[in-house]
Amino acid sequence: LAKTTQPISMDSYEGQEVNITCSHNNIATNDYITWYQQFPSQGPRFIIQGYKTKVTNEVASLFIPADRKSSTLSLPRVSLSDTAVYYCLVVRGGNTPLVFGKGTRLSVIA
Amino acid sequence: SAVISQKPSRDICQRGTSLTIQCQVDSQVTMMFWYRQQPGQSLTLIATANQGSEATYESGFVIDKFPISRPNLTFSTLTVSNMSPEDSSIYLCSVLRTEKMANEQFFGPGTRLTVL
Repeated sequence: LAKTTQPISMDSYEGQEVNITCSHNNIATNDYITWYQQFPSQGPRFIIQGYKTKVTNEVASLFIPADRKSSTLSLPRVSLSDTAVYYCLVVRGGNTPLVFGKGTRLSVIA
Repeated sequence: SAVISQKPSRDICQRGTSLTIQCQVDSQVTMMFWYRQQPGQSLTLIATANQGSEATYESGFVIDKFPISRPNLTFSTLTVSNMSPEDSSIYLCSVLRTEKMANEQFFGPGTRLTVL
């Protein structure tokens, strides 16, 4: 699976939009881009998944350019409760388990 | 979604002892995995728990150190054997569901292990 690279940490003030970019240069045709969120003392949880262009749900938006070598997770108007680690993962269908990179530690400041 | 519980939620153990962690899922699942998360680090896959056969271990993890059982499709155990302080971590159970474009994994709350 393609290796992912994302910033180690980011800080943001409450109410701002946060964009976390992830690079995955060697993504394969059958791979999807998935983002997970992990709060302290909890297991990771699924946020959003996409293959190309734009995907939006109640939590976030995911932007994927045509070449799919990168993706951007967008969190609208963050609050203190969005402080967490965000993992970008390349996922292949079938029964392949998730392989986690280092993630981005987002700190939201009042 | 899947509701996953783990027991114990945390434990403090002495060096050289063993601890068995239980993972219970609220419905049958084919694929179950065990991960380790060391303090301040990301998650590392330990093994895939196979129902009815031996677990499949990732590089760096061996059955003698981390024996795994999977007696049915809703339950698994991970044993951390002959513990040392380096085994202090959070151990997480995870299950895989094919409900979206690609497989989605659900994670248990984790077991926080401290080895003295």
